[in-house]
Amino acid sequence: AQSVTQLDSQVPVFEEAPVELRCNYSSSVSVYLFWYVQYPNQGLQLLLKYLSGSTLVKGINGFEAEFNKSQTSFHLRKPSVHISDTAEYFCAVTEFSNDYKLSFGAGTTVTVRA
Amino acid sequence: DTAVSQTPKYLVTQMGNDKSIKCEQNLGHDTMYWYKQDSKKFLKIMFSYNNKELIINETVPNRFSPKSPDKAHLNLHINSLELGDSAVYFCASSRVRESPEAFFGQGTRLTVV
Repeated sequence: AQSVTQLDSQVPVFEEAPVELRCNYSSSVSVYLFWYVQYPNQGLQLLLKYLSGSTLVKGINGFEAEFNKSQTSFHLRKPSVHISDTAEYFCAVTEFSNDYKLSFGAGTTVTVRA
Repeated sequence: DTAVSQTPKYLVTQMGNDKSIKCEQNLGHDTMYWYKQDSKKFLKIMFSYNNKELIINETVPNRFSPKSPDKAHLNLHINSLELGDSAVYFCASSRVRESPEAFFGQGTRLTVV
């Protein structure tokens, strides 16, 4: 069965500083990986996805993530954050299957301060 | 233009009542889901339908019953609401054979009092 661990529950960061959110997954088969962002009182928006190919994937709003199969990780990074990046970030995994249900990590709260 | 829309956005109701949440997607996707987000923001899948057929039914009380009248709609009916049902319920959709990422609705915040 698939599972996801987000290693940081809260990440405070100053504006214009870099940020990294860590995500590790567990699965016995091949997987697809995602990062979603949830702004307050809103739904989940897809930031980026890894399906296959290049292990470095770029997403919206300047975010990128690197898939590392040997370390079963999919860490999210942004070189310079803005106040507007304050949100909840979720890492998710789905196995190659017929249903593609997503298993989510517990989320990381990013608070950007001026 | 909304891709995945849910109604209502907020729902406050008393224990024991029956309520429904509606979901519609205009993306032409073949698979729809219901996820539950608890007070600690943890997200867990409840149900999934592919072309109107139930394919995922996680450990959810029988009081929860999904219904998919067509590929574009997936409704969630909840009987005999309990305090513990208070949560945010998200509908999502995807086209699994082509691209497995899910697109989410804005959520329905259910409060049982």
